[in-house]
Amino acid sequence: DGGITQSPKYLFRKEGQNVTLSCEQNLNHDAMYWYRQDPGQGLRLIYYSQIVNDFQKGDIAEGYSVSREKKESFPLTVTSAQKNPTAFYLCASSSGLIGQFFGPGTRLTVL
Amino acid sequence: AQKVTQAQTEISVVEKEDVTLDCVYETRDTTYYLFWYKQPPSGELVFLIRRNSFDEQNEISGRYSWNFQKSTSSFNFTITASQVVDSAVYFCALSEARGQNFVFGPGTRLSVLP
Repeated sequence: DGGITQSPKYLFRKEGQNVTLSCEQNLNHDAMYWYRQDPGQGLRLIYYSQIVNDFQKGDIAEGYSVSREKKESFPLTVTSAQKNPTAFYLCASSSGLIGQFFGPGTRLTVL
Repeated sequence: AQKVTQAQTEISVVEKEDVTLDCVYETRDTTYYLFWYKQPPSGELVFLIRRNSFDEQNEISGRYSWNFQKSTSSFNFTITASQVVDSAVYFCALSEARGQNFVFGPGTRLSVLP
């Protein structure tokens, strides 16, 4: 089945650790996105990529990094520089004007 | 700059009531796209509808209907005969013509009580 997968579903991190969240899509979409959602809040754009080997900062990129080496994959690294990383992270992909389609999300908790 | 406003933070209704979720948008583009997404408690955003700026026809899909009015920059969503399974957060979103610069509203939390 075509879709977007994110792993892991739940992730626990100790302070000072970097962690990488996986996002894979087999929809052949060109663009991919990472959003952060805090409890009771809307979505905030972290990074997006319109094409392989290219990506742009969103509204809250500080403390995060990404790579786009393959069309299917857009991993997000939450670095130790992100002071408040506990949140729900959503990955999305899109192609042209069809709208964004979302993965199931990863819930990150800092211990 | 593009902006999406969903003035209703939370709405509670009793099952079988009709409910309308408001969405007001701002854009300088003449060609744009509007979307509605549903986020159930599981967290995943579910795509509901896409509407382009040149198509002001209202759309109905089962118990769901959408009213797009360019004159008031609104794209409201109505659920008829609401059910408990409709309980979720609903997001309205706006995209420019090339599909980039996707902007979400803050969401409306709908609770349908049995």
